[in-house]
Amino acid sequence: AQRVTQPEKLLSVFKGAPVELKCNYSYSGSPELFWYVQYSRQRLQLLLRHISRESIKGFTADLNKGETSFHLKKPFAQEEDSAMYYCALSVQGGSEKLVFGKGTKLTVNP
Amino acid sequence: NAGVTQTPKFRVLKTGQSMTLLCAQDMNHEYMYWYRQDPGMGLRLIHYSVGEGTTAKGEVPDGYNVSRLKKQNFLLGLESAAPSQTSVYFCASGLTSGGGNEQFFGPGTRLTVL
Repeated sequence: AQRVTQPEKLLSVFKGAPVELKCNYSYSGSPELFWYVQYSRQRLQLLLRHISRESIKGFTADLNKGETSFHLKKPFAQEEDSAMYYCALSVQGGSEKLVFGKGTKLTVNP
Repeated sequence: NAGVTQTPKFRVLKTGQSMTLLCAQDMNHEYMYWYRQDPGMGLRLIHYSVGEGTTAKGEVPDGYNVSRLKKQNFLLGLESAAPSQTSVYFCASGLTSGGGNEQFFGPGTRLTVL
């Protein structure tokens, strides 16, 4: 069965510090992974997807198939990065469903 | 482009009452989804649709029904609301592409069942 695990419910760092939000997945097929972000009182929005290999707002994430991980990283956290972050796995097979992790709430302190 | 819209934004129901949540998208997306978001549980898929006239069950479908009579609309119904259905409901739409399936989310509906 497909599963996404985000081991940290809460993560708190200081402004300027590096941040890493962990995501591990379980899926028998070829994984497509995403990070979604939800800022306070806003809707979820896509932050980045592994297939694009892009950096958005300074965040990057590398798919490691050996460790079945897709950790989100940023070298210097900013206060505006405070938000809820969800890792998601796309399940192929015609429905294109997303399986979400339970989320990590990131707080960047001044 | 309004993107994905949801009505209503807030609603309070009494146990046993019924209601329908409306989701609309103007992006001509084939796929639409209903999720519920609960503290500590993340987002869980209730029902989804891969095209007009089709619906399918997700992870937590019990107590909910859906309809997709028009491509742009996806309705979520609660026939007899229960306190366990107190949650924030998000609708999303998407389409497949070579780059994977990005889903676009609505602003959410906060439902309280007393």
